[in-house]
Amino acid sequence: AQSVSQHNHHVILSEAASLELGCNYSYGGTVNLFWYVQYPGQHLQLLLKYFSGDPLVKGIKGFEAEFIKSKFSFNLRKPSVQWSDTAEYFCAVSKNRGSTLGRLYFGRGTQLTVWP
Amino acid sequence: DTAVSQTPKYLVTQMGNDKSIKCEQNLGHDTMYWYKQDSKKFLKIMFSYNNKELIINETVPNRFSPKSPDKAHLNLHINSLELGDSAVYFCASSSGLWRNEQFFGPGTRLTVL
Repeated sequence: AQSVSQHNHHVILSEAASLELGCNYSYGGTVNLFWYVQYPGQHLQLLLKYFSGDPLVKGIKGFEAEFIKSKFSFNLRKPSVQWSDTAEYFCAVSKNRGSTLGRLYFGRGTQLTVWP
Repeated sequence: DTAVSQTPKYLVTQMGNDKSIKCEQNLGHDTMYWYKQDSKKFLKIMFSYNNKELIINETVPNRFSPKSPDKAHLNLHINSLELGDSAVYFCASSSGLWRNEQFFGPGTRLTVL
C-alpha cells in the first residue's frame, strides 16, 4: 500500500543539538513533499515544501529538508534546535496527477521534545 | 487576519446528537478540505471540494455530510454522533489541486460523551 513513513515517533533532544527527522514515501511518479509543524494546541503550519528543482529546500525557523529521489526520502533537518521547537512534525506527500490528485497523505508524525 | 477559520473551537455533545462545524477561508482559494486527527495525532483526509464540487470522498460513514454553499465555505454536518467520532477536525484550503500547499484552520475538538 502507498504510504508515508516517519520512523521516529518521539525524539528528545537538548537545546543546541542537531535534528534530523526521517520521512520516506512509497508513491511512484512525481510527488510534492511537505513538512508541517503542529505546536501544542495549535493548527498545522507549513515549514517547507518541495515541488521541483533544487532538492535542498530551506524553510522557516532555520529548518531545511533534502529530497533524495533514489531513496524516496525527504528528511527534515535543523542544525541547532531550541526549546520553542517542541512540537509534532508531520511529513506529507501529494501527487500531481491521477485519481489521487489533490489528496495530501500524512505520516503519523514525530513528537519532538527539546529540553532547555 | 485569519486565513482559515473554524467554529466552534470546542464541541462537547452527547451520543446520538447532530452537530455542525463551520469553516471559512479568506484566501480566495478554490479548494477546501476536511481532515480528521485521531487521538494518536494521525491525520486523514475526509472530504475535498473544488469550486463547490465534491471531488474527494474518503471512506467515511454517511453520517458525515459536507456542504459547500460557496467557494469560501465548507461545513461539516455529523448526524447521530458516536463515541468514535471524538477527534480534532481540521479544515484546510488550497489554491487548487496541483502542487497544492494547504493552509489549515485551528481545528475543532469534538468530544462525544
